[in-house]
Amino acid sequence: KAGVTQTPRYLIKTRGQQVTLSCSPISGHRSVSWYQQTPGQGLQFLFEYFSETQRNKGNFPGRFSGRQFSNSRSEMNVSTLELGDSALYLCASSFLGGGSGNEQFFGPGTRLTVL
Amino acid sequence: GNSVTQMEGPVTLSEEAFLTINCTYTATGYPSLFWYVQYPGEGLQLLLKATKADDKGSNKGFEATYRKETTSFHLEKGSVQVSDSAVYFCALTTQTGANNLFFGTGTRLTVIP
Repeated sequence: KAGVTQTPRYLIKTRGQQVTLSCSPISGHRSVSWYQQTPGQGLQFLFEYFSETQRNKGNFPGRFSGRQFSNSRSEMNVSTLELGDSALYLCASSFLGGGSGNEQFFGPGTRLTVL
Repeated sequence: GNSVTQMEGPVTLSEEAFLTINCTYTATGYPSLFWYVQYPGEGLQLLLKATKADDKGSNKGFEATYRKETTSFHLEKGSVQVSDSAVYFCALTTQTGANNLFFGTGTRLTVIP
């Protein structure tokens, strides 16, 4: 079974631009979560989608948005990029929509650099 | 609120040494606890988990016991190998029905031959 895939793996943008990252979950998984990883803030939860609905959202500005398609693939978008948005963006999928002990499977991440 | 406090790194050990990485947590409700590992250039992999008090998660020689009385979930391994060199993250989820993980800051482990 293929794992979680994320595209692109690397991305370089300039301030003010916008970017779209893509995540394909493991086949059969309906939940997709996004995380931002930076040296200063560590791993922080962005949002989660389940069956095309955003179920939960972390403490990020409205410039960060996402969506999920009927095939469970998800995209996240960052508008008006800032230098501080440079990070590794990780996507995780899970079979269940939540609950205690639910395992999440992570993709390799997209490394975004904002110049 | 929910938070995870993890032992500061980096940690450098010789091969076959004993490993302990401390992790304590604060959570609303009754959390599930996880250890994830991140190898260079890769995403996170679940190492082990525990969902209730006194549960012991184990995998690949690593162990951690869910201690509710001390709100801790320390990671241990009796004999580390060079291939264990990675960053280790302690994390929790709560029983809200959501999938968001709260992570610690991570501990970088380097094992030297």
